[in-house]
Amino acid sequence: DAGITQSPRYKITETGRQVTLMCHQTWSHSYMFWYRQDLGHGLRLIYYSAAADITDKGEVPDGYVVSRSKTENFPLTLESATRSQTSVYFCASSELLAGTDTQYFGPGTRLTVL
Amino acid sequence: AQSVSQHNHHVILSEAASLELGCNYSYGGTVNLFWYVQYPGQHLQLLLKYFSGDPLVKGIKGFEAEFIKSKFSFNLRKPSVQWSDTAEYFCAVNEASGTYKYIFGTGTRLKVLA
Repeated sequence: DAGITQSPRYKITETGRQVTLMCHQTWSHSYMFWYRQDLGHGLRLIYYSAAADITDKGEVPDGYVVSRSKTENFPLTLESATRSQTSVYFCASSELLAGTDTQYFGPGTRLTVL
Repeated sequence: AQSVSQHNHHVILSEAASLELGCNYSYGGTVNLFWYVQYPGQHLQLLLKYFSGDPLVKGIKGFEAEFIKSKFSFNLRKPSVQWSDTAEYFCAVNEASGTYKYIFGTGTRLKVLA
C-alpha cells in the first residue's frame, strides 16, 4: 500500500544497545522528519532531511543518528539507548519544505528502553 | 524561542456539545498554523491549516479554526461533537518563511461521551 510505514511498531530494548527504527514512504516526498512524542511535551523534532544525503538536526538530536541514502527511506538510529529515549517515535514526510505543506505521519514506533 | 500552548490537556464532553480547544503561540513573525488529530490507534492527520487569507478556516469533519493575529491564537471549534471525535488534537506552528521547524503543542485529549 502507498503511504508511510514504520517498523517495528513496538520495540523493547536494554540500556546501551543500538536500535534502528525504520521509516519508508512511497510518495517520493523530498522531506522527511523524525519526531518523538512524550507526555507533556507534544511532538519534538529530532532530525529532518531535505533530500537524499541531506540531513539536519532538529530540537532534540542528541543520542540519535540518521541517514538518507535513498529518497524513500529515513532510518533513525539510537547508538546507545538510554531510558530517557523511551518514547513514541513518529516519522513524517512532506513534498515541500514550505510551511504550507501538509506533513504525512507514519503510525509510530513505541520504544521502551529498560 | 517559539512555543505553542494548548491549555486544555483533557476535555470531556457529551455528544452534541460544542467544542473549543485553545491554541496560543509565541512568535513575532508571520506563521503558518495547523491542527492535527490523532484518533485512537491511527496516524496523525491534518484537520486544517491556515497560511493566508480568510482567518476562519474550515477543515474536515465539520471542524473550523479562527486565526486571531492580535491574540496569537488559533482556536479549534466544532459546533456539535460526536463520539467519533474522541481523539488527541495537536496545534502546530511554523515560520511562514518556510523552515522545517514545526513546533507542536502538547496536545489535548478529547473524550466524547455517547
